[in-house]
Amino acid sequence: GESVGLHLPTLSVQEGDNSIINCAYSNSASDYFIWYKQESGKGPQFIIDIRSNMDKRQGQRVTVLLNKTVKHLSLQIAATQPGDSAVYFCAENSGTYKYIFGTGTRLKVLA
Amino acid sequence: GAVVSQHPSRVICKSGTSVKIECRSLDFQATTMFWYRQFPKQSLMLMATSNEGSKATYEQGVEKDKFLINHASLTLSTLTVTSAHPEDSSFYICSARERGKEGTDTQYFGPGTRLTVL
Repeated sequence: GESVGLHLPTLSVQEGDNSIINCAYSNSASDYFIWYKQESGKGPQFIIDIRSNMDKRQGQRVTVLLNKTVKHLSLQIAATQPGDSAVYFCAENSGTYKYIFGTGTRLKVLA
Repeated sequence: GAVVSQHPSRVICKSGTSVKIECRSLDFQATTMFWYRQFPKQSLMLMATSNEGSKATYEQGVEKDKFLINHASLTLSTLTVTSAHPEDSSFYICSARERGKEGTDTQYFGPGTRLTVL
């Protein structure tokens, strides 16, 4: 079936360095992608989104890149801070307003 | 931004009892709400899609008679776990899609409800 997956389950990054979290998706018809941050015991928090007619979108300290050719999505966090430690999920819009979530990547920021 | 709340945030119940979880959109109207379940260290799994004024649409493998969903208004959806058992213990999260912005696909998530069934 269709799925969204991540390459790395855990990513450890030194404080101040940049983080890159990757996501692969399989549904070529998906046209909307979202990155969420989830801290322990809390609901997902919207970070940034991108539509399929774009290949890059920037927010505050975050950038999402979309490569439709290889069905790959990435989230870049600049100058990673301890508060960025969380699990990050990519989600794919299947076209029926339902989101398909990836397995998640835990980001650990090392002091 | 749009805010979604859930109540209660944590609940512990005995096996065999029923538990109701509320999901509210606080500052917008939501024609569609979604219920997810998340087990420890796992991703969110969609359970059902709840549309205001109509029956919920359940995902494959989710028992509709066990997980009762009611979306009686544009700001409230409830999930009732009936005859709960320990295997129902999980983190239940709702999300809401804002009404009127049909071109917007963003879902706003609630803070989640931790259910523990003894």
